[in-house]
Amino acid sequence: GENVEQHPSTLSVQEGDSAVIKCTYSDSASNYFPWYKQELGKRPQLIIDIRSNVGEKKDQRIAVTLNKTAKHFSLHITETQPEDSAVYFCAASKGSNYQLIWGAGTKLIIKP
Amino acid sequence: DSGVTQTPKHLITATGQRVTLRCSPRSGDLSVYWYQQSLDQGLQFLIQYYNGEERAKGNILERFSAQQFPDLHSELNLSSLELGDSALYFCASSVGQGSHEQYFGPGTRLTVT
Repeated sequence: GENVEQHPSTLSVQEGDSAVIKCTYSDSASNYFPWYKQELGKRPQLIIDIRSNVGEKKDQRIAVTLNKTAKHFSLHITETQPEDSAVYFCAASKGSNYQLIWGAGTKLIIKP
Repeated sequence: DSGVTQTPKHLITATGQRVTLRCSPRSGDLSVYWYQQSLDQGLQFLIQYYNGEERAKGNILERFSAQQFPDLHSELNLSSLELGDSALYFCASSVGQGSHEQYFGPGTRLTVT
């Protein structure tokens, strides 16, 4: 079945620097790739998503890129701020039940 | 606020007991998903319902069951509780057909003592 691998498991960056989190998926039929942010003890929140007919999508300081040939997609956060500290989850989806297959998560730490 | 509601917020119970968690999806959403998140772990997909019918099953234990009612709210029943069942349980909803976006409720924190 579909599998999503996410790296790194922990990422520590200096405030103001950029952060990149990468995910690879196994099923080439996957066509939807969301990213969720989860702050400690709170719900996962959808922050950005991309569909397979698009290579890149931006929303202010965050962007997602998709490489269908290599079957990987990445989350880019520029000018990181303390409030970016959280766990980030990637996921992939296809098919009629719209089930999401989740990565294991990346803990992003922003150092002041 | 995602529009998805879950009750109760916290639940403390003893081993061997049975509990029911409740979820109301966003207005207009037909699909409900249940997830389990143990401490510092990822999201484990349990089960999905679409318009009252089971659509997909994940790593759901036989001691756990769920249903979605005609008004589209859903309940997750956990029985013969064990210490290892202590976790955050999230419900998420989506439109269903033609839409992948899932919106999460605030979760129910279950503590089994």
